[in-house]
Amino acid sequence: ETGVTQTPRHLVMGMTNKKSLKCEQHLGHNAMYWYKQSAKKPLELMFVYNFKEQTENNSVPSRFSPECPNSSHLFLHLHTLQPEDSALYLCASSQDRISEAFFGQGTRLTVV
Amino acid sequence: DQQVKQNSPSLSVQEGRISILNCDYTNSMFDYFLWYKKYPAEGPTFLISISSIKDKNEDGRFTVFLNKSAKHLSLHIVPSQPGDSAVYFCAASGSNFGNEKLTFGTGTRLTIIP
Repeated sequence: ETGVTQTPRHLVMGMTNKKSLKCEQHLGHNAMYWYKQSAKKPLELMFVYNFKEQTENNSVPSRFSPECPNSSHLFLHLHTLQPEDSALYLCASSQDRISEAFFGQGTRLTVV
Repeated sequence: DQQVKQNSPSLSVQEGRISILNCDYTNSMFDYFLWYKKYPAEGPTFLISISSIKDKNEDGRFTVFLNKSAKHLSLHIVPSQPGDSAVYFCAASGSNFGNEKLTFGTGTRLTIIP
């Protein structure tokens, strides 16, 4: 398998649930990212990891908790989310921060 | 404040004609620009890029033009094909500290009419 793979593709969760989004990249890249895409808004960068180290947290609420156990895997742990957190969550990877990022297909999250 | 702007949320073009998608930016420290294409239920895919040392980059039917003085770039698709119907995102980054991450526009939905 190649590219950037995200699971699950769709997720519906209640506000009191805890769930995790998973991302895996098979491209040998050293940087991984979480983006959020809400309706009619630009893609918003949430977190950046370089060589497993978090280098950027773009003022994301603590109910979103990222984890990067190695340079190929990235998780986004979710707990006590709000309905306004419903969005498409995209994972991406790149060889360096300026090069073209490769995106996964995204997880469509609905918080009820 | 939005640093990358795509002021046209949608555009319809006849098949075979030229599609022109526009993007404006405000951050003068941006020096690398990209276009991504996104189909429904898929993640964005990289299409074409240009660095600020150039004013034009061409790849097959796709050409990106950069006007640094106007802080404006455009993507030309010619001839347009039905498979080009998608949402197109403009993105920018800079090589200096604090601007390395990609900043995206809101996207333009392109519809090619057969």
